[in-house]
This record gives sequence, C-alpha cells and structure tokens, in this order.
Amino acid sequence: SQTIHQWPATLVQPVGSPLSLECTVEGTSNPNLYWYRQAAGRGLQLLFYSVGIGQISSEVPQNLSASRPQDRQFILSSKKLLLSDSGFYLCAWSVFRHPVEKLFFGSGTQLSVL
Amino acid sequence: AQSVTQLGSHVSVSEGALVLLRCNYSSSVPPYLFWYVQYPNQGLQLLLKYTSAATLVKGINGFEAEFKKSETSFHLTKPSAHMRDAAEYFCAVSDRGTSGTYKYIFGTGTRLKVLA
Repeated sequence: SQTIHQWPATLVQPVGSPLSLECTVEGTSNPNLYWYRQAAGRGLQLLFYSVGIGQISSEVPQNLSASRPQDRQFILSSKKLLLSDSGFYLCAWSVFRHPVEKLFFGSGTQLSVL
Repeated sequence: AQSVTQLGSHVSVSEGALVLLRCNYSSSVPPYLFWYVQYPNQGLQLLLKYTSAATLVKGINGFEAEFKKSETSFHLTKPSAHMRDAAEYFCAVSDRGTSGTYKYIFGTGTRLKVLA
C-alpha cells in the first residue's frame, strides 16, 4: 500500500536560518506531489506542485523553494526564514492527472520561526 | 481560475443537531468539488467528492453534500452531529495546472465544534 512520510513533525527555527522539509512517498511511481501551508485564519494555501523529477510549479512567489530530486521525494527549502514562514506545512500526493483525483496528505510539519 | 469560499470560520452545534457547513464556488467550467476533514495536528482526509455523476453526494461518517449549480454551492450536511465530528472542514476545487496535471484549491476552512 502507499504511504507518505513527512518530517520533522515539529520544528523551531530562528529568523534568518535555513529550512529543509522532506516528504517521501512509498508504494507508487510517478506521483503528483504538492506542498501546502496552513496558517491561522488563512486556510490551506498551495505553494508548489510537481508532476515529475525536476519539474516544479510555483503558486505563490515567496521566500520558499521546492525541489524534486527523485521520483518520490519532494523537498521544501528556504535560505533565510522569515517570521511569516511560520505555519503547518503539509505534503500531499495523487496518482493520476485527473481533475477528480483524491489527495493523500502527510501528517504535517509544524514550523515556528522565532 | 477556480476558487471556493467557505462562509463561517467557526460553527457550533449541539450533539444530535443538524450540521451545515457552507461552500460556494467560482468556476468558468463545470467544477469538480471536494470536502476534506482535518482532525487536530493531522493531515486532511477526503470526505466526499462531486464528479458530476449525481448532484447529491454521500461520503464517509454520515456526511453528504449537494451540488447546486443555480446557487454555485456545495454545502456539507450531516443530520445528527457526534462529538467525534469536531474537526476542521475544508472545501476544495480542482483547477487545471501546468504539465497536464491538476492542482487543488482549498477554502479557508470551517472549524466545527460539537457541544454536549
């Protein structure tokens, strides 16, 4: 069966420090991968998505970047964190390129930038 | 671009009462709509999805939603609330992305509180 791993579960980082969050999917090939951020009162905001290795689509220009070095690995990064980067980060995947696909979510990373 | 709007960031109901969570969509093409639920400190789980096969969609845990094109709505209901229904609920719509895939746009969420 397919599973998604996301780590770390919680992270406290100082302003100006770098960030690397990792997400891996098991049990499927060539998944569509997504990064979302959930901030208080702002719902779930799509940050990046990817249909394949090295293919990244950015939804919101900001302090973050994403990479997909391997088929089932999706990484969210920042060179210098801002206070506004705090939030709950969720990785998700889907199988097919179809408009009614179900998204499978990881358990999330709670990031606090202080 | 497609979007969804959820009216009411917080909804409180008594246990056993009707649950109604509101979602309106904006779409230039026939939309595909979803409801997801998020329990504290967890990822989201799919409750149900509208695929145009039927306007009344039944999901898990006794929830259902009705697609109303004339009202551009896809409200989520449950006849009788249980304590375990307390969670945050998100409405979502799919939108065509790049490279032939689809991206999923979520609303701001509605936190449901169930009172004993």
